[in-house]
Amino acid sequence: EIVLTQSPGTLSLSPGERGTLSCRASQTISRNYLAWYQQKPGQAPRLLIYAASSRATGIPENFSGSGSGTDFTLTISRLDPEDIAVFYCLYFGTSSFTFGQGTRLEIK
Amino acid sequence: QLVESGGALVQPGGSVRLSCEASGFTFSDHWMYWVRQAPGKGLVWVSRVYNDGTITNYADFVKGRFTISRDNSKDTVFLQMNSLRVEDTAVYYCARYWGRGYIPLDHWGRGTLVTVSS
Repeated sequence: EIVLTQSPGTLSLSPGERGTLSCRASQTISRNYLAWYQQKPGQAPRLLIYAASSRATGIPENFSGSGSGTDFTLTISRLDPEDIAVFYCLYFGTSSFTFGQGTRLEIK
Repeated sequence: QLVESGGALVQPGGSVRLSCEASGFTFSDHWMYWVRQAPGKGLVWVSRVYNDGTITNYADFVKGRFTISRDNSKDTVFLQMNSLRVEDTAVYYCARYWGRGYIPLDHWGRGTLVTVSS
């Protein structure tokens, strides 16, 4: 079973600042089955990135994904206060369907 | 659009049936998932059902207690939850699995709260 570990647990950024969120898999996974979600307080999760680096429909270029193997990254190029949320990575391979524990993004 | 219903306050050992009604897309083309989120905690996959209902999968912690099903004539997926435990307390989301182009869960409902407490 694949385990996804996200870091940091909480990321504090100032408006306009660049942020990097990490998702590490317990073993090598196909990047095609790695996605990122954003969950704002009181809302359902929203798909941001699929196949590690493809933006979902309607997602601004401010969000980008990268990585392969065991290490994946979600980058927010310039923090907008409306971006504040918890971010989860997801692996959905044939043998596992598992979320990371989440990274909370807050305004400094 | 996905709209969940059926959440309730139930006693340990009790049962509840969740429903999720879909609209705006061809329901029978898609696998459907249930994902839960305990208060203040992260997302956890619970169960899924293939588009024709013939194949179902469950997380180990609900096997033998929860049953997922669907009625494609009513565009609805269900989650029958039996032998409920305090630790099953959570918001339960249904979500559509797109599947094509490596896109996983692309649409989610707003969730329904199940509270298990005496």
